[in-house]
Amino acid sequence: AQSVTQLDSQVPVFEEAPVELRCNYSSSVSVYLFWYVQYPNQGLQLLLKYLSGSTLVESINGFEAEFNKSQTSFHLRKPSVHISDTAEYFCAVSASGGSYIPTFGRGTSLIVHP
Amino acid sequence: NAGVTQTPKFQVLKTGQSMTLQCAQDMNHEYMSWYRQDPGMGLRLIHYSVGAGITDQGEVPNGYNVSRSTTEDFPLRLLSAAPSQTSVYFCASRLQLGPSYEQYFGPGTRLTVT
Repeated sequence: AQSVTQLDSQVPVFEEAPVELRCNYSSSVSVYLFWYVQYPNQGLQLLLKYLSGSTLVESINGFEAEFNKSQTSFHLRKPSVHISDTAEYFCAVSASGGSYIPTFGRGTSLIVHP
Repeated sequence: NAGVTQTPKFQVLKTGQSMTLQCAQDMNHEYMSWYRQDPGMGLRLIHYSVGAGITDQGEVPNGYNVSRSTTEDFPLRLLSAAPSQTSVYFCASRLQLGPSYEQYFGPGTRLTVT
């Protein structure tokens, strides 16, 4: 079985500052990794995903994440955040060879201050 | 496309009452699932379905029933509500079970059991 650990429950940051949301996973087989974003009072939306190939993946709104197999990590970064990035971010992992049902982390609340 | 829809958006129940949370999708997705979201716990899978007539249990199935008579609908039934079932419930769907298929979430149902 796979598991996901999001190391920070809350990350406060000022607008235009860089941010990193940390995610580590555990799995005995190859994995697929995802970041979802949840804006207040809404459902989750896929932000970006790693399936194979380049270990650096990017979203359309400036976020990026790097798959690091040796450190079993998939940290999410943005060089300059906006107020509108304030949301809950969830890391998720699904394992190959099984049902591909994702396991979600507990979430990190990104709070961007003006 | 309306995507994934859920009704009701809010519900208050008394302990012991039963109710059904509705979920529908109009994208002809085979895979549908129900999650509950609790503070600090992330999303936990309740039940899922890989197609009409096929359902299976997730991580936290106790106290919930599901059925999948059509591709479009996947209702979640609470048989005898308990305060521990106070949560936000999300329905999700994707075309098929493989990891390359994006999972779409509904807007959620906020349930309070008193």
